[in-house]
Amino acid sequence: GAVVSQHPSWVICKSGTSVKIECRSLDFQATTMFWYRQFPKQSLMLMATSNEGSKATYEQGVEKDKFLINHASLTLSTLTVTSAHPEDSSFYICSARVAGTYEQYFGPGTRLTVT
Amino acid sequence: GIQVEQSPPDLILQEGANSTLRCNFSDSVNNLQWFHQNPWGQLINLFYIPSGTKQNGRLSATTVATERYSLLYISSSQTTDSGVYFCAVEGGNEKLTFGTGTRLTIIP
Repeated sequence: GAVVSQHPSWVICKSGTSVKIECRSLDFQATTMFWYRQFPKQSLMLMATSNEGSKATYEQGVEKDKFLINHASLTLSTLTVTSAHPEDSSFYICSARVAGTYEQYFGPGTRLTVT
Repeated sequence: GIQVEQSPPDLILQEGANSTLRCNFSDSVNNLQWFHQNPWGQLINLFYIPSGTKQNGRLSATTVATERYSLLYISSSQTTDSGVYFCAVEGGNEKLTFGTGTRLTIIP
């Protein structure tokens, strides 16, 4: 099946710093990628939809200036958490849609801890 | 938006038992996927099944789109089946909406 990677798998940063998370589709091209957030023992919540070559679409309540998304190529999307605070600590997961289908494949996730 | 409900929320079974997980959704869907989230957080694709029936080894799934539900069957459970099972649906806006999940624990 299609493979999606994320880097880093975990990161600890200090409050006020920025963190960049990469999401790559390894063996297919993804015109659309998605970013989710998951708190402990909860379900996944969609944060934003990332389209190659255009601006991301953010879900209601997600601050676009805090969570910067760039989808520069058909295989790479990045999420930058700017001026991170402890409440941004969470598990961030990306997914990519296989072109021509509705099916999404998910990366392994990035665990962010802000101290 | 589309609502997704999963039941039961928790399920504890002895190794070797069979189980049925249910997913109800509130509107017609273009996409329905079942996932297994392992203890490390990785979401593993189990089935892409907006309608019909599929089988993969000990797992099978059925979606009755007209009645807006899907079932995931796990037979002869193994301890490695433990984890959280999510159903997610997409109703035409390209966005997957996840259910609340079923936490499955298989006891040796």
